[in-house]
Amino acid sequence: GAGVSQSPSNKVTEKGKDVELRCDPISGHTALYWYRQSLGQGLEFLIYFQGNSAPDKSGLPSDRFSAERTGGSVSTLTIQRTQQEDSAVYLCASSLVSGRAGDTQYFGPGTRLTVL
Amino acid sequence: GQQLNQSPQSMFIQEGEDVSMNCTSSSIFNTWLWYKQDPGEGPVLLIALYKAGELTSNGRLTAQFGTTRKDSFLNISASIPSDVGIYFCAGQLLIQGAQKLVFGQGTRLTINP
Repeated sequence: GAGVSQSPSNKVTEKGKDVELRCDPISGHTALYWYRQSLGQGLEFLIYFQGNSAPDKSGLPSDRFSAERTGGSVSTLTIQRTQQEDSAVYLCASSLVSGRAGDTQYFGPGTRLTVL
Repeated sequence: GQQLNQSPQSMFIQEGEDVSMNCTSSSIFNTWLWYKQDPGEGPVLLIALYKAGELTSNGRLTAQFGTTRKDSFLNISASIPSDVGIYFCAGQLLIQGAQKLVFGQGTRLTINP
């Protein structure tokens, strides 16, 4: 496939509902990253996967946020009991490997989440 | 935690003008990256810098990795309408086996025809 794909492109939900955001990385990329971009701001690191494991979960804002990756490919970011401050664009990136200088992270188009 | 200060936050220029933006940090990074983001899209890598003092060009873009490893600048020469967008610097460092990116706040570039 081409680049990193994410779905849905837009999600509007009501406060208190759970949402799932999906990321399909570039085929063959072992490292996968999730970022959050609030309006007019830079990107904030959330979590990264090397294969199916997530060694670094330090960026997750609260225990309402979780992520998993299966088969070393698709990843899902889940936000439980959404709050209005969760409204942002959630971006996924993948790279060939991780832990090596020079491994470029390629970004998907993002999912714009709006919590009413 | 690590923070990057990117300036200016926005620029309004005439087509054909040169552009300069920079990032500074209190932390040392082993790689500096510059990304451009168009509306509704994810950031796209423009230039990557791997060595302190390195000066790299990509067409009309030139970027430098500061000698202290705490700063970087990006120059765009002879701006054209398609240069419009938001430019982000990012510092990359190895944490717990991951090349973690720390982003600046972005520079929004607007070009008046």
